[in-house]
Amino acid sequence: DIQMTQSPSSLSASVGDRVTITCRASQSIKNYLNWYQQKPGRAPKVLIYGATTLQSGVPSRFSGSGSGTDFTLTISSLQPEDVATYYCQQSFGTLLTFGPGTKVDI
Amino acid sequence: EVQLVESGGGLVQPGGSLRLSCAASGFTFGGYDMHWVRQGRGKGLEWVSGIDAAGDTYYPGSVKGRFTISRESGKNSLYLQMNNLRVEDTALYYCARAGLYCSGTNCYRMFDDWGQGTLVTVSS
Repeated sequence: DIQMTQSPSSLSASVGDRVTITCRASQSIKNYLNWYQQKPGRAPKVLIYGATTLQSGVPSRFSGSGSGTDFTLTISSLQPEDVATYYCQQSFGTLLTFGPGTKVDI
Repeated sequence: EVQLVESGGGLVQPGGSLRLSCAASGFTFGGYDMHWVRQGRGKGLEWVSGIDAAGDTYYPGSVKGRFTISRESGKNSLYLQMNNLRVEDTALYYCARAGLYCSGTNCYRMFDDWGQGTLVTVSS
């Protein structure tokens, strides 16, 4: 199975800061990598698919990069409504896996 | 509007069984892969099972042989039969639709719609 790791596990930043979250796969997943945002008490919501493509309706301050085994989610200017846990997820194989999550606080 | 409504959760003893259901509406159910994803309290997301439009099924090792996913297109419903439940299966179980999105020449699957979840508690 493909294992996913994320760093950091949590971070605290100020409004307007640039925030970067890293996700690593245990083997190459090309660019079959999705990012999700989950706010407390809510179901997850997809932000980015194919490592770099912003899902419709997602603010442009979110961006994704990477391919192979190393990926990054960037929030260019952190907003109060971005407080959430962020998960990466690989869709390369038939057995799907999520990263452990990164909790973002203000 | 896409709607996914889970039901069937509850309290069950270790070794027991439970059947979850997910009622889908607002899209052509038979044309999509469907999945179950769970989340323990205060924990991360774990993919539990998937079924594609052709009916092929997929499971991680943690539930293979104990859980069975199925679908009934005539009723626009997804199911998860869970047998031999363990304490570690305690979680909120989400039903999720896997949309197919194409960018350039590549197409990608992602969980583009989720239900609100149904809670399964395995405890003696």
